[in-house]
Amino acid sequence: QSALTQPASVSGSPGQSITISCTGTSSDVGGYNSVSWYQQLPGKAPKLIIFDVTSRPSGISPRFSGSKSANTAFLAISGLQAEDEADYYCNSYTGSSALEGVFGGGTKLTVL
Amino acid sequence: QLQLQEAGPGLVKPSETLSLTCTVSGGSISNNLYYWGWIRQPPGKGLEWIGNIYYSGRTYYNPSLKSRVTISFDTPKNQFSLKLSSVTAADTAVYYCAAPLIWFGEAMKAFESWGQGTMVTVSS
Repeated sequence: QSALTQPASVSGSPGQSITISCTGTSSDVGGYNSVSWYQQLPGKAPKLIIFDVTSRPSGISPRFSGSKSANTAFLAISGLQAEDEADYYCNSYTGSSALEGVFGGGTKLTVL
Repeated sequence: QLQLQEAGPGLVKPSETLSLTCTVSGGSISNNLYYWGWIRQPPGKGLEWIGNIYYSGRTYYNPSLKSRVTISFDTPKNQFSLKLSSVTAADTAVYYCAAPLIWFGEAMKAFESWGQGTMVTVSS
């Protein structure tokens, strides 16, 4: 089980849109629609922002959206705001029963 | 809304066993809708999934930790616990317990409820 691959950092100016990628294999990201994304502010617990590739939990801004193509998942954030500056992690499930979790290495988003 | 709270020693000696508990409030740990998870984060590094336990008691562990990890229930206390044996400095991390998002009556493969995390340092 290897960690999913994310870019170490991305940046954008307020109002712009950015995309963060999360690359796995056909045994995890590509094999199941169980990709989730988390936002983590410094010193805080992660917060779920996307589940099942494209769905948003209640209360999450529609500025956050998810998608997937083959073995890569994407998190898009539109209309960047200063409060979006955080670490973002993707997660998928893997294993023969698809009940073993695996996280990406995390991406630091800087709002310029 | 579930609330989770981790507890345990903040300092563990190398080669010993790390033991943490997660107390759940706002819901029953015996609820067959849920599964319960442990995740850790070394200082300055990313998240690492440790394992999940289902209401049946069935557990799934990170293969890289499987030989050293045990997750179990303490149902009367509405808690679940993590034990990690033979610890080294590489096990120094913030440890989180978590519970899944329930969406239209089904537990999703995504953690919505998290504890605040507890820092465990492995050092002599």
